[in-house]
Amino acid sequence: EIVLTQSPTTMAASPGEKVTITCRASSSVSYMHWYQQKPGASPKPWIYDTSKLASGVPNRFSGSGSGTSYSLTISSMETEDTATYYCQQWSSNSLTFGSGTKLEIK
Amino acid sequence: EVQLVESGGGLVQPGRSLKLSCAASGFTFSNYDMAWVRQAPTKGLEWVASISTGGGNTYYRDSVKGRFTISRDNAKSTLYLQMDSLRSEDTATYYCARLPWGDWIDYWGQGVMVTVS
Repeated sequence: EIVLTQSPTTMAASPGEKVTITCRASSSVSYMHWYQQKPGASPKPWIYDTSKLASGVPNRFSGSGSGTSYSLTISSMETEDTATYYCQQWSSNSLTFGSGTKLEIK
Repeated sequence: EVQLVESGGGLVQPGRSLKLSCAASGFTFSNYDMAWVRQAPTKGLEWVASISTGGGNTYYRDSVKGRFTISRDNAKSTLYLQMDSLRSEDTATYYCARLPWGDWIDYWGQGVMVTVS
């Protein structure tokens, strides 16, 4: 099973600050997907196929990476971006998620 | 509008069984792989099981193999999760999820709570 390690576990950013969340895979994966989850709510698809924004996601978000290293970037942090973000991969008929990055506003 | 509505959760004793259902609407259910994903209280997301469009292929995480069974009824647009021999560590919110190309989730249900105690 491929293990996904996210970093940081938690972080706080000021409005307007650039934010980068990293997801490292224990073996190479073809694509990485990301979800946003707010307290008490279901996760939402956020970025799929490494760099494609899901419907309704602001374009201040972007995704990149390849092989074992992927990232989600917010070009300019906004209050509404406060949430937990999870990366996810699929291989060998198994989905695995990262442990999540809790992002807060300063 | 795509909707996934889970039901069947509740409080159950260790060793007992529970069956979750997920009623799908707003799309052609039989065209999509489906999955169950769970989240223990204050914890992260954990994939539980997946099923192919026709139900012929099913996949499970190791910790539920032999205890859980994922199935679907395409005529009823409903996904199921039969959970047997439940353990305290199965306590979680269970989400029904749609897999557009089998490898990521584009729609999630609202979740149903299962408490094993």
